[in-house]
Amino acid sequence: DAGITQSPRHKVTETGTPVTLRCHQTENHRYMYWYRQDPGHGLRLIHYSYGVKDTDKGEVSDGYSVSRSKTEDFLLTLESATSSQTSVYFCAISTSVGTGELFFGEGSRLTVL
Amino acid sequence: GQQVMQIPQYQHVQEGEDFTTYCNSSTTLSNIQWYKQRPGGHPVFLIQLVKSGEVKKQKRLTFQFGEAKKNSSLHITATQTTDVGTYFCAGDRNNAGNMLTFGGGTRLMVKP
Repeated sequence: DAGITQSPRHKVTETGTPVTLRCHQTENHRYMYWYRQDPGHGLRLIHYSYGVKDTDKGEVSDGYSVSRSKTEDFLLTLESATSSQTSVYFCAISTSVGTGELFFGEGSRLTVL
Repeated sequence: GQQVMQIPQYQHVQEGEDFTTYCNSSTTLSNIQWYKQRPGGHPVFLIQLVKSGEVKKQKRLTFQFGEAKKNSSLHITATQTTDVGTYFCAGDRNNAGNMLTFGGGTRLMVKP
């Protein structure tokens, strides 16, 4: 257990509404990631962070923004949710640079109606 | 961009049979990782392979990294119902661990 908590775990919202998912870690790891998981696509990287206020885009970043104002929290925001963003979102941390082993949170299931 | 393809997408086996999933990258990888995700769960790290031609074993699981570092495989000997889940490979192209690209996964179902 790498001390990762995601909230909310489940959310149903309507198209056009803003949504924020939170990832909280308790062990001050530098690297944090947001992935989305969809059937047949595996896990696709949305954004990642390599420190406070240091973030970068992944392969599917359109429609998403992130913020990291504290080491322990990495927020993923959908400014205006669309049905195509219905997915399971996983936060992950990497405990050491270069090794790359990821520890995942429990996931947040988002449904956009 | 880098693509990592994984086959098969699904595999049904009888308990006790062997199982193999294959992973192929369009580019050379610095390392490859394997994860297992149980139904309803989150991905859990299994192993990382770094060297060309590397073979690692974990009990009934055997992991291989190709000589060209563009493909990999996971073989399970004598499957058990506890092996049920989806197995993902993930390639790291720059050895920084920042940009892992995951394959689509192979879902293993085991009939008792």
